[in-house]
Amino acid sequence: AQSVTQLDSQVPVFEEAPVELRCNYSSSVSVYLFWYVQYPNQGLQLLLKYLSGSTLVESINGFEAEFNKSQTSFHLRKPSVHISDTAEYFCAVFRMDSSYKLIFGSGTRLLVRP
Amino acid sequence: DAGVIQSPRHEVTEMGQEVTLRCKPISGHNSLFWYRQTMMRGLELLIYFNNNVPIDDSGMPEDRFSAKMPNASFSTLKIQPSEPRDSAVYFCASSTDSDYGYTFGSGTRLTVV
Repeated sequence: AQSVTQLDSQVPVFEEAPVELRCNYSSSVSVYLFWYVQYPNQGLQLLLKYLSGSTLVESINGFEAEFNKSQTSFHLRKPSVHISDTAEYFCAVFRMDSSYKLIFGSGTRLLVRP
Repeated sequence: DAGVIQSPRHEVTEMGQEVTLRCKPISGHNSLFWYRQTMMRGLELLIYFNNNVPIDDSGMPEDRFSAKMPNASFSTLKIQPSEPRDSAVYFCASSTDSDYGYTFGSGTRLTVV
């Protein structure tokens, strides 16, 4: 069985503070890993992805995530958040077999306060 | 590139009525996915198509739901008859075989009263 776990349903943080959104996965086959962001009343947007190579991947707006195979984790971090980062963040796993499915975690709501 | 286009953006209907949601994937994308998002269950994959063929519909809740993809540029998700518990945001997404990151539409917010 495969699952994606985002333990924190909501993470409140003050503006300019660092943040980490946690994601753990379980899978019997190799996976690709993704983070998506959903702003209010909008669809999901791809934030960053790990397919292969360097285990540290970055987005254009300052987020980064590190693939840790031994910990089966793909935590999302940002050293200094902005009010505009307030959104729902979803971790997702793509199975490297014939299933062709992207499985999402339950999401973490990041709430940035001034 | 106009992205994945879904219509309507909002739909309010009475219980028992038929509802049809529409999706136009990105040109050149050969995989299309329908997801449902609710507070209680999060994002659920309902069905996905590859080259217009339904590959996995195991997520379709029950026989009241059906999906079609008559050509590479159009898909529909139909609910007949609709029930209040079908109220949710329905997302369509598309991708290519070599791109593992899906592009999502803006969603259709369905309210069944």
